[in-house]
Amino acid sequence: GESVGLHLPTLSVQEGDNSIINCAYSNSASDYFIWYKQESGKGPQFIIDIRSNMDKRQGQRVTVLLNKTVKHLSLQIAATQPGDSAVYFCAERLGFQKLVFGTGTRLLVSP
Amino acid sequence: GAVVSQHPSWVICKSGTSVKIECRSLDFQATTMFWYRQFPKQSLMLMATSNEGSKATYEQGVEKDKFLINHASLTLSTLTVTSAHPEDSSFYICSANGGPGHEQYFGPGTRLTVT
Repeated sequence: GESVGLHLPTLSVQEGDNSIINCAYSNSASDYFIWYKQESGKGPQFIIDIRSNMDKRQGQRVTVLLNKTVKHLSLQIAATQPGDSAVYFCAERLGFQKLVFGTGTRLLVSP
Repeated sequence: GAVVSQHPSWVICKSGTSVKIECRSLDFQATTMFWYRQFPKQSLMLMATSNEGSKATYEQGVEKDKFLINHASLTLSTLTVTSAHPEDSSFYICSANGGPGHEQYFGPGTRLTVT
């Protein structure tokens, strides 16, 4: 079936380090990908997106890389801060507006 | 801009009763709204897609008679969990399309606990 998967449930880093969260997606027809941050008890918060005709996009302290050849997506967070601690989900768009979410990675940032 | 609210933020109900959750787009008109369910330490699973003025489209395995969705206006969609059971306890999250910038804006979620 359709799936977007993450295989590293928890990532622990020190404050100031760079963090890299990875995601594998399964549908080569997906045209749009998004990274979300979810804090405990809250809804997902948009971080950054990328369309399939791009391979890199940068935001403030975050960069998303897309490798369509191996169907891989990554989120890089520069100078990680304690406030970045949360669960991060990638999502791919399948069909009209439908999003499929990955399994999530918990990022723990130690001061 | 592009704020989505949900009400209530949490609810506790007894088994066998029904619960209604509201999802509102506060500053934009949402032609499409989505309902997700999230169990603890799991990802968001899409339950249904709701278009204003038409019947919702449910994902495979989601009982449409149990999870009633009404999208009566461009700013409001409701999810009613009928005859709730403890296994329906979950975090229900809605999202809406139609705002500026990126495409789906998520609500803060509703924690449902069925006792």
